[in-house]
Amino acid sequence: GDSVTQMEGPVTLSEEAFLTINCTYTATGYPSLFWYVQYPGEGLQLLLKATKADDKGSNKGFEATYRKETTSFHLEKGSVQVSDSAVYFCALPAGGGGADGLTFGKGTHLIIQP
Amino acid sequence: NAGVTQTPKFQVLKTGQSMTLQCAQDMNHEYMSWYRQDPGMGLRLIHYSVGAGITDQGEVPNGYNVSRSTTEDFPLRLLSAAPSQTSVYFCASSAGTGGTYGYTFGSGTRLTVV
Repeated sequence: GDSVTQMEGPVTLSEEAFLTINCTYTATGYPSLFWYVQYPGEGLQLLLKATKADDKGSNKGFEATYRKETTSFHLEKGSVQVSDSAVYFCALPAGGGGADGLTFGKGTHLIIQP
Repeated sequence: NAGVTQTPKFQVLKTGQSMTLQCAQDMNHEYMSWYRQDPGMGLRLIHYSVGAGITDQGEVPNGYNVSRSTTEDFPLRLLSAAPSQTSVYFCASSAGTGGTYGYTFGSGTRLTVV
């Protein structure tokens, strides 16, 4: 079945550092891809998405490009802040176009130190 | 606009007890799903629904029941709680199939079974 693999961390960076969180996927066809963020004690929030190959999703300074050649959707940010400390999840539709939910990676815990 | 509301936020159960986790959304979304989040496991799909009266099993359905009598509500029932069901539970909904729009998540219910 479809699956998502992402680096698990924790990833610890200093403020203003460049961030990359790797995500690769296995799927039939070219599904939409998502990044969700979970701040401490909260639910998941949609951070960005891409619905077709070569699309770039962006939000709050984060970017990710849908690359079908490498089946990847890596999350990047040029200069992280302490407030970016959270758990980040890469996800794709579970099947049937997503009517039956999402399949998530195991999450990457990001810690930003001042 | 409340979005997806989950109650209760915290619950402690004794082994063998039953309970219902409530989930309600006010966005008129057809697609809803339940997940559990465990350390190092990411989020795993328990059950999902594509509309009132229609439900199906996800990746980890054993020990849980669901029903969908209205568009707004999608409760999750634990019939006989076990310590293995200690987890954080999230409900989510989507306007479309989720493959394009992604899902909106509630803030979660933290369940401890002793």
